[in-house]
Amino acid sequence: IAGITQAPTSQILAAGRRMTLRCTQDMRHNAMYWYRQDLGLGLRLIHYSNTAGTTGKGEVPDGYSVSRANTDDFPLTLASAVPSQTSVYFCASSAGANTGELFFGEGSRLTVL
Amino acid sequence: AQSVTQPDIHITVSEGASLELRCNYSYGATPYLFWYVQSPGQGLQLLLKYFSGDTLVQGIKGFEAEFKRSQSSFNLRKPSVHWSDAAEYFCAVGPPGGGNKLTFGTGTQLKVEL
Repeated sequence: IAGITQAPTSQILAAGRRMTLRCTQDMRHNAMYWYRQDLGLGLRLIHYSNTAGTTGKGEVPDGYSVSRANTDDFPLTLASAVPSQTSVYFCASSAGANTGELFFGEGSRLTVL
Repeated sequence: AQSVTQPDIHITVSEGASLELRCNYSYGATPYLFWYVQSPGQGLQLLLKYFSGDTLVQGIKGFEAEFKRSQSSFNLRKPSVHWSDAAEYFCAVGPPGGGNKLTFGTGTQLKVEL
């Protein structure tokens, strides 16, 4: 089934450790996004990429980095995790930067202790 | 800056009853408007969207939403709720003229009583 695959599904991490959340899509979508979801705050955009080779900052980019070496992959890296980064992370994609329809993965639950 | 308000954190309805979920937005111009649904343990799925034209839009699963410019609202409705509609619902806005950097509301958790 076509869609977005995120890994890991769940992870517990010690503060200060480096962590990369993986995201792969097989829909050949140009645009990809990372959101974090926190209770009472909804979803907030961390970083996005409108096309391979380009990235941009969203609403809450501090402490996170991304890369977009090819169309399919959009990893999110926490260089030195902190407890406030405990959250559920969702990767999403869209066919273009102006369609409004995002396709979401099932999320990665990250706990930083 | 744009913002989205969903004033109801939780709503409980009986199966077969009608449903209305409220959404208000603040934006400099008429934005693109969306409703997404999230089932437990899943990612979000688009229910419907409004870009322009007819202010009453139809979506999947029998949902509809009405854009009211004068009230800056985009409320989601369903005439008869099914138990499988229990989920969390998110309203979102995007920049007018395009751009997918959506701003989401905080969500409304829907519980359906049998």
